[in-house]
Amino acid sequence: ETGVTQSPTHLIKTRGQQVTLRCSSQSGHNTVSWYQQALGQGPQFIFQYYREEENGRGNFPPRFSGLQFPNYSSELNVNALELDDSALYLCASSENRGGEKLFFGSGTQLSVL
Amino acid sequence: RKEVEQDPGPFNVPEGATVAFNCTYSNSASQSFFWYRQDCRKEPKLLMSVYSSGNEDGRFTAQLNRASQYISLLIRDSKLSDSATYLCVVNTGGFKTIFGAGTRLFVKA
Repeated sequence: ETGVTQSPTHLIKTRGQQVTLRCSSQSGHNTVSWYQQALGQGPQFIFQYYREEENGRGNFPPRFSGLQFPNYSSELNVNALELDDSALYLCASSENRGGEKLFFGSGTQLSVL
Repeated sequence: RKEVEQDPGPFNVPEGATVAFNCTYSNSASQSFFWYRQDCRKEPKLLMSVYSSGNEDGRFTAQLNRASQYISLLIRDSKLSDSATYLCVVNTGGFKTIFGAGTRLFVKA
């Protein structure tokens, strides 16, 4: 067990709705990264939060946004859901923001209908 | 060109076989390298880091060739429990950790 927890495990939404996914990082880790994994693909980097600030962003539109809290837990928010947003959303925590090993939660499976 | 490219799978091997996975990366400034393992519908888990001198962990051996921008993973004496997807992972510095699409391995009895 990595100590990284995500909620909910599964979620079904309809196109145009908004969703919030949550992640608690491993004790001692101050960095959280979010990834989107479509079926049959590797995880795609969405963004990273370090000490409550966005530290870097992948090629995702602004309707993907996030937060990190003082206890280093994090949220991923997606507005105006599209069918292509259906995927496994993975949260990973690390000791610091640069190149360290990532410890993943078990993910949230999002289905957009 | 993708930033991290892996052998297309799947690999189907019998128990006891030796199997090798290859991976290439495009950014010559890449700094950290890893192999992760992902079981079906589960989260990726770190298998091993990859060092310039090459490194071994039991039946697993990882190699890095910076000049060719090439990473490999060798699994000896394959077990049924090795069946999974193997993800090649490269960090280009700071926040940017890039995953390959993965190579699926099936080990059969």
